[in-house]
Amino acid sequence: EPEVTQTPSHQVTQMGQEVILRCVPISNHLYFYWYRQILGQKVEFLVSFYNNEISEKSEIFDDQFSVERPDGSNFTLKIRSTKLEDSAMYFCASRTGGVYGYTFGSGTRLTVV
Amino acid sequence: DQQVKQNSPSLSVQEGRISILNCDYTNSMFDYFLWYKKYPAEGPTFLISISSIKDKNEDGRFTVFLNKSAKHLSLHIVPSQPGDSAVYFCAAIFDAGNMLTFGGGTRLMVKP
Repeated sequence: EPEVTQTPSHQVTQMGQEVILRCVPISNHLYFYWYRQILGQKVEFLVSFYNNEISEKSEIFDDQFSVERPDGSNFTLKIRSTKLEDSAMYFCASRTGGVYGYTFGSGTRLTVV
Repeated sequence: DQQVKQNSPSLSVQEGRISILNCDYTNSMFDYFLWYKKYPAEGPTFLISISSIKDKNEDGRFTVFLNKSAKHLSLHIVPSQPGDSAVYFCAAIFDAGNMLTFGGGTRLMVKP
């Protein structure tokens, strides 16, 4: 069964450092997403990406965040200057056109120290 | 703004019995509701969904009921199995929208 692949599974970074989280969505999917889950809290939407541009973003997705699809297969989330409160599980997801086709990756646990 | 809420953080059920997980929402404009299952160290996995124009959808052991007047939905698992032990998230989406809005999750423990 096709999967959304995320790397690394766990990343530890110093506060203020830049971090890039990587995702390989399912190949025929058209919509790409990042969500995050702070420990003990709900899964929150960050950003959606379609046709090589951001289609929607939440209040969380401020100027410190950016997304890119550099080569037609990878989808990345960059945090420019990490803060302690960015520590969370980050999930990449992709889907085809239908609402039921959402597939999530296993997540990257980001720990900012 | 908690548009989707799951008021029970945990639920414990005996194997073979029914598990009922509940979810409430505030925005009547949601078009679809979905249930996801999540194991530790994995991403959410789609389980079952229901359109806002229906009141019931069944898939094997899983049935979702939607009560639009009460803005409430529930997931029934019958019979419950130990492998069903996981965190269950309710989520909602607008038909024309992109983002899923999640509830806080309910941890289900099925005891053998």
